Amino acid sequence: GESVGLHLPTLSVQEGDNSIINCAYSNSASDYFIWYKQESGKGPQFIIDIRSNMDKRQGQRVTVLLNKTVKHLSLQIAATQPGDSAVYFCAEKDFGNEKLTFGTGTRLTIIP
Amino acid sequence: IAGITQAPTSQILAAGRRMTLRCTQDMRHNAMYWYRQDLGLGLRLIHYSNTAGTTGKGEVPDGYSVSRANTDDFPLTLASAVPSQTSVYFCASSVNRAQPQHFGDGTRLSIL
Repeated sequence: GESVGLHLPTLSVQEGDNSIINCAYSNSASDYFIWYKQESGKGPQFIIDIRSNMDKRQGQRVTVLLNKTVKHLSLQIAATQPGDSAVYFCAEKDFGNEKLTFGTGTRLTIIP
Repeated sequence: IAGITQAPTSQILAAGRRMTLRCTQDMRHNAMYWYRQDLGLGLRLIHYSNTAGTTGKGEVPDGYSVSRANTDDFPLTLASAVPSQTSVYFCASSVNRAQPQHFGDGTRLSIL
């Protein structure tokens, strides 16, 4: 069945270093992928998205990479800051379906 | 500041009672969604609305109903609350089904 999962449930990174959060998905029909950040007591916050016709997309300090061959998605955060500490979710969507399927999340902790 | 407003922020409710969670957005987004977030299960879609006047069932619709009388409001009703509906409920909206969803800060609901 469809699933979106994360390789690592927790990740600790030194402040200033780069972080890489990984995500595997199984639905080859997915057209669209999104990364969300969720801080404690808050709703998911949109970070960056990528469509299936792209391999890479960059934002401010973040880069998303999509490898459709192995159904893998990653989020790279450059020069991590204490404010980057949160749970990060990947989500995938087939445009023919209303459902946005979320992974279970990775907790990123930035060590000062 | 434009965004999504959810009310109440938290609620403790006796089993069997009726409860309506409110959601209002001021971004003039066409599509709106309700999710529940449970530990270990991630975010699951309850109901959605692609445009005012239409609604659809998501992944876990049983025990919940929604209405979309206008663009801005998308209330979620629990007709007779049960303890298994204890969860954090998030409302989201998007321009359309092919654009990222933006989330409110949630309603924490406990059914006793």
